[in-house]
Amino acid sequence: AQSVTQLGSHVSVSEGALVLLRCNYSSSVPPYLFWYVQYPNQGLQLLLKYTTGATLVKGINGFEAEFKKSETSFHLTKPSAHMSDAAEYFCAGGSQGNLIFGKGTKLSVKP
Amino acid sequence: GAVVSQHPSWVICKSGTSVKIECRSLDFQATTMFWYRQFPKQSLMLMATSNEGSKATYEQGVEKDKFLINHASLTLSTLTVTSAHPEDSSFYICSARGLYTDTQYFGPGTRLTVL
Repeated sequence: AQSVTQLGSHVSVSEGALVLLRCNYSSSVPPYLFWYVQYPNQGLQLLLKYTTGATLVKGINGFEAEFKKSETSFHLTKPSAHMSDAAEYFCAGGSQGNLIFGKGTKLSVKP
Repeated sequence: GAVVSQHPSWVICKSGTSVKIECRSLDFQATTMFWYRQFPKQSLMLMATSNEGSKATYEQGVEKDKFLINHASLTLSTLTVTSAHPEDSSFYICSARGLYTDTQYFGPGTRLTVL
């Protein structure tokens, strides 16, 4: 069965620290991968996506993710967390627009 | 670019009434639109997929007679919750995808509360 797994439902970091949000996908998931961010009571905003080409993908707000086929991973990172990064982050995979979502990771940023 | 709007952003209705939610792609033609439901602190659950001019495809367990979806144009899809009940209270989010892309662009969501 196709699945996208986000490790850790809640991640807390200090402001200025490295952000690492983990995402693994089942090998049956087509290799189109996305990270979305959701702020409270809002829809999802696309952070970045991997379709083909370079495996290191840069997104908005300083986020980036690396597609590692051998590890079936697509972890999201940001070198230095800001208070404004506090939100829910969803990893998703799919093709032809049909997405399989992970359960989400809530990122908290401490001052 | 790739902006999707939803209207209304929130709605409160009485049990037994019907509520219509609109989803519009503002700057691109959405050949496919998706409707999701999100429960508090949970991920998105796909309810149905609609292609312009075709009947929607519903996910297993979603009542098609209760959640009516219409995708009459390349920029508008509507979700009507018929005879709403308190258990239908949720956050409903739509997304839209253009013809030559795998990316879904999401609307801001609609908070439905049924009293």
